[in-house]
Amino acid sequence: AQSVTQPDIHITVSEGASLELRCNYSYGATPYLFWYVQSPGQGLQLLLKYFSGDTLVQGIKGFEAEFKRSQSSFNLRKPSVHWSDAAEYFCAVASLQGAQKLVFGQGTRLTINP
Amino acid sequence: EADIYQTPRYLVIGTGKKITLECSQTMGHDKMYWYQQDPGMELHLIHYSYGVNSTEKGDLSSESTVSRIRTEHFPLTLESARPSHTSQYLCASIRLEGTEAFFGQGTRLTVV
Repeated sequence: AQSVTQPDIHITVSEGASLELRCNYSYGATPYLFWYVQSPGQGLQLLLKYFSGDTLVQGIKGFEAEFKRSQSSFNLRKPSVHWSDAAEYFCAVASLQGAQKLVFGQGTRLTINP
Repeated sequence: EADIYQTPRYLVIGTGKKITLECSQTMGHDKMYWYQQDPGMELHLIHYSYGVNSTEKGDLSSESTVSRIRTEHFPLTLESARPSHTSQYLCASIRLEGTEAFFGQGTRLTVV
């Protein structure tokens, strides 16, 4: 069965500091991986996705993520965070055929200190 | 810009009432989904649809029901709301050969 683990429930960083949010997955085949961001009271917005090819993927808002098959990880990074990055971040895994159901991690809440 | 809409955004309702949460998308997407999200928790799939007249139960058991009579519309109904149904409900859609799920802004339901 597919599963996603985000070990950090809550992370606080200072504005301008670098950020890394961890994501580990369990999936029986080639995983299709996603990072979504959810601002308070809002739906989810796709930051980036990985299907194949280059294991370092670039997303919107200056985010990037690296797929490491040997570690079953897909960590999200940003070199310098902005106060507007404060939100909930969800890692997800899915198949691209059939139902295309997304399986989400528990989420990591990011707080930015001024 | 994603065009998927959920109404109402917020709903407080008494126990035993029947409610319908609306979800509409104007993108012509075939696949639609309902996810349930408790505060501080991950999203769990409760229903999905491949297209008109197709509905399937998701991974999390739910007492709600859905229908898909039109491509753009995927309403979720609770026949008799209970406090345990208090949660946020998110609707999403994907086009047939697509890869990205577009999400609505969610309906936050409180049953008192």
